[in-house]
Order: sequence, then structure tokens, then C-alpha cells
Amino acid sequence: DAGVIQSPRHEVTEMGQEVTLRCKPISGHDYLFWYRQTMMRGLELLIYFNNNVPIDDSGMPEDRFSAKMPNASFSTLKIQPSEPRDSAVYFCASSDGQGNQPQHFGDGTRLSIL
Amino acid sequence: GQSLEQPSEVTAVEGAIVQINCTYQTSGFYGLSWYQQHDGGAPTFLSYNALDGLEETGRFSSFLSRSDSYGYLLLQELQMKDSASYFCAVRALYNFNKFYFGSGTKLNVKP
Repeated sequence: DAGVIQSPRHEVTEMGQEVTLRCKPISGHDYLFWYRQTMMRGLELLIYFNNNVPIDDSGMPEDRFSAKMPNASFSTLKIQPSEPRDSAVYFCASSDGQGNQPQHFGDGTRLSIL
Repeated sequence: GQSLEQPSEVTAVEGAIVQINCTYQTSGFYGLSWYQQHDGGAPTFLSYNALDGLEETGRFSSFLSRSDSYGYLLLQELQMKDSASYFCAVRALYNFNKFYFGSGTKLNVKP
């Protein structure tokens, strides 16, 4: 089975530009998570969805960040306008919500805002 | 709130046994998970302790003691490929699908 697929793998853009990160979860997984990883703050949960509905967005840093899940196989995380402090690795993960709930992570998007 | 502490770095030799500790301060949680992340890679799930005690999966074991607010990951017969960062994560009590991750421990395995 294919794992969680994220695109792009790398993104370099200038501050002020809009950035859109994409994620395709594992088929059949009801939960989708967006994380951000930096050296300073570690791995932080930004938002998670259950059955395409946002459940907890308390980790979204500010209004410049937004996330959507229009259907069970696709989600986006958008930053507008982007700032240099948004530079990080952004991971998408999915789980089936059963048992010990292991989260399956994508390979991440390495975002650099110049 | 949730606060997890791990040593920032641990070094061990190939073939040895190493223990990575995770201490936490939390208002309550369902269980403790461990993830491995190689440089430039994605976190991958290793183990989960819902109850106190030891869980064994091959060369890796994980332990939880709620009374001591403490857990650890034990890696036996270390191999060079075990060089990676290891994260503990608690599953929030009142937000069943939410996990809080520790800052991670970088394990360096030397020949």
C-alpha cells in the first residue's frame, strides 16, 4: 500500500508569497494530522481532521495559516503571506483511529522562506 | 498542559544496550508512544504503552510507569542503522487523537 504522500518535497520562496502544501493520506484512514518540525520547537501538531472535519486547530500559529480537507484523500495547508520564521519541515500524518493509533507520516515538505 | 523531557543526545557502541528516558508532567494521558526519525526522514512508529509495564518488539522494548511519570525505550544489540532521533509522545487524555511529542533524543551508534 502507498504511504502518506506529500508534495512538494522542497519549497523555496520569498517572503510574502503564498505557499500551499499538499497531502494524500493512506486510503481508509479517518484521521489526518499536520505537524511542523523545527530545531527550536520540535514536532508540533498544527491541526487534525477526522472524517474531513477539522477537530482541533489550536496549534495553528496565526491567521496566516489555514488548512482544508475537501475529501477523504486530499488535504492542503496554506500559508499566506509567508514569513521567514515559517521555514520548517511540515509533515502530514494519518491514522485509522484504532487501537494504539500509530500515526503514519509522510516524507515531509522542507519549506524555506527567504 | 503537557511537558515531556528527554536527553538531547546519547552515544553507544554497536552491539551494546542503550536506554532512552522520557519523563513527563501531564494532567493525564492515555498512553506513551515512541517514534524513530532518521536524519532527513519521517518519524516512524515504534511502540505504544497503554498500561504500566514492558512492551517488547524484537530488539526494542518500551516501559511505562505512571506512578513515576516515567518511561523509557530500550534498544538492544545496537546496530549502526539505529543511529537516529527517538521521540516519546503522550496521547492526551481529553483529546483522544492528539499526541504531544518530546524534543527527541539523538542516538549516535559508533563502531
